[in-house]
Amino acid sequence: DTAVSQTPKYLVTQMGNDKSIKCEQNLGHDTMYWYKQDSKKFLKIMFSYNNKELIINETVPNRFSPKSPDKAHLNLHINSLELGDSAVYFCASSPRTYRVLNTEAFFGQGTRLTVV
Amino acid sequence: GDSVTQMEGPVTLSEEAFLTINCTYTATGYPSLFWYVQYPGEGLQLLLKATKADDKGSNKGFEATYRKETTSFHLEKGSVQVSDSAVYFCALSWQGGSEKLVFGKGTKLTVNP
Repeated sequence: DTAVSQTPKYLVTQMGNDKSIKCEQNLGHDTMYWYKQDSKKFLKIMFSYNNKELIINETVPNRFSPKSPDKAHLNLHINSLELGDSAVYFCASSPRTYRVLNTEAFFGQGTRLTVV
Repeated sequence: GDSVTQMEGPVTLSEEAFLTINCTYTATGYPSLFWYVQYPGEGLQLLLKATKADDKGSNKGFEATYRKETTSFHLEKGSVQVSDSAVYFCALSWQGGSEKLVFGKGTKLTVNP
């Protein structure tokens, strides 16, 4: 019973296409995140949502748009894909809220996006 | 801003060797500190954590102590196994108003039989 699940696991697409990655968590957490891991394994936060509200937007191009239909789901839509978007994208969740600190995040398996 | 610096890898050890991966941090407040592990082809898993100074986190034979005076959270294991081969990430919880994890660049560990 997967706690944080992402689909698809692999995504190969051409430059200029639009694609979406879906994420769902069944942990009852309030906060969800998208992280990007580059080819050197460096992890950087992109977005965070708390109870469907956007909390963090870390200088990500406008081509990336997160959408949270409910607190268990956080999807990532990418328009006009570029070669530099190739990376592994991780969804995560945590029970973290403004009143609950110091809790860890639970990560999905990742989506390896390759833009050709 | 808050940041984490890890020793650069890759690190290659023989089975049963002693492991240390250094991690230091810069933070304006009092962050919690974490070690995450990423096995090949998988997502990140929490390995251990410490939420205040002098706390020791431990799991699966790994240990790390939150040292405020040296702003460090070094990961250690007395005897590594081949199955410990993975990428290890040190992270802190940024408490600057919006909560997020700030990660170090990761250290790849390979353990040979």
